[in-house]
Amino acid sequence: EDKVVQSPLSLVVHEGDTVTLNCSYEVTNFRSLLWYKQEKKAPTFLFMLTSSGIEKKSGRLSSILDKKELFSILNITATQTGDSAVYLCAAATHNAGNMLTFGGGTRLMVKP
Amino acid sequence: GAGVSQSPRYKVAKRGQDVALRCDPISGHVSLFWYQQALGQGPEFLTYFQNEAQLDKSGLPSDRFFAERPEGSVSTLKIQRTQQEDSAVYLCASSYRDPNQPQHFGDGTRLSIL
Repeated sequence: EDKVVQSPLSLVVHEGDTVTLNCSYEVTNFRSLLWYKQEKKAPTFLFMLTSSGIEKKSGRLSSILDKKELFSILNITATQTGDSAVYLCAAATHNAGNMLTFGGGTRLMVKP
Repeated sequence: GAGVSQSPRYKVAKRGQDVALRCDPISGHVSLFWYQQALGQGPEFLTYFQNEAQLDKSGLPSDRFFAERPEGSVSTLKIQRTQQEDSAVYLCASSYRDPNQPQHFGDGTRLSIL
């Protein structure tokens, strides 16, 4: 059975801190690894990673994939209160047209 | 519209009633997915359409769940004879056929069964 596990479950930090969120996966027919940010509504897309070792960056956020060890990390530097959200990691497979298997999410709270 | 649109945003129904949830995908997106998200959990795959064809429904929890996309655009997820365990947020996502393009999600319908 396909499985995606995220850690930690939740995290409380102060503004300006750097955080690292972890995602490990075990899926058949792996295609890519995606990160989404979910506040109270729709998960919004952050990154899609298909190759090992290539860091993707967007502002203060960055992510990298290790296909040998089957994990990914999401880094957020200089955190702001607006970064408070649930961060979801998902593995896309070649099955069902690129269906996503999600982890349970990491709930991040950034205090002022 | 620019994004995936779902309606209603909230639905309250009594146990045993039938409900219908609507998803209007991003224009041009041929792939459409339904996911179920229980409180405090990640979304779980329900079903997938490519245009009007339902190519995978392996995630539908029971035969009370039915989805359709008759014209390859708007999709409806129907739940018959609702039960309390059906209470969840139902998310719709759409994407281009290109697997290198991500899925984009709607805000979801929060379904509460009393």
